[in-house]
Amino acid sequence: DTGVSQDPRHKITKRGQNVTFRCDPISEHNRLYWYRQTLGQGPEFLTYFQNEAQLEKSRLLSDRFSAERPKGSFSTLEIQRTEQGDSAMYLCASSSMQGHEQYFGPGTRLTVT
Amino acid sequence: QKEVEQDPGPLSVPEGAIVSLNCTYSNSAFQYFMWYRQYSRKGPELLMYTYSSGNKEDGRFTAQVDKSSKYISLFIRDSQPSDSATYLCASRRSGGGADGLTFGKGTHLIIQP
Repeated sequence: DTGVSQDPRHKITKRGQNVTFRCDPISEHNRLYWYRQTLGQGPEFLTYFQNEAQLEKSRLLSDRFSAERPKGSFSTLEIQRTEQGDSAMYLCASSSMQGHEQYFGPGTRLTVT
Repeated sequence: QKEVEQDPGPLSVPEGAIVSLNCTYSNSAFQYFMWYRQYSRKGPELLMYTYSSGNKEDGRFTAQVDKSSKYISLFIRDSQPSDSATYLCASRRSGGGADGLTFGKGTHLIIQP
């Protein structure tokens, strides 16, 4: 069990550019979650997958954000036309179908200049 | 009013002291409660998970949930400098599907050697 991994760990981009992040969950976990965390705040839920199906989306997930999990394994989160307000830590978590505990990855820190 | 409230601190205590960290929540549908530890610029690490009211102990850590007062506590015995981190409480509803966690802001804990 290597835990949840995320790539890249850091991303600096200019306003208006598109960025994509990847998350690899714990191998036997069916459920995958994306969160966003800004400085001094707790993580905020963005979206959730069960296998390849995206089952829940927060109102925080604007039209510029899209997430996929095409084969029910890894997931990608894309932000189009980035804005300075998108600067945050983007966290991925996974859980098993039976378990309620969510295990987090190290996060991708995005800086939009 | 946020659904989960947590004093951001900082809370500074001497090494060896018993630490008490607390959260309150407002959503009566919350049934599952977690405590995460987060070091600077890292992902949250799951410490404790409890269902409904009651106590749970794991080594130096004890989690308590009082649903009648909507109060969540984490106690750390024999605190160590390595316990210095931000502690996040999180909750979610019951139900067949999985939900995103609702987090507090986190309490910054400093253990002084």
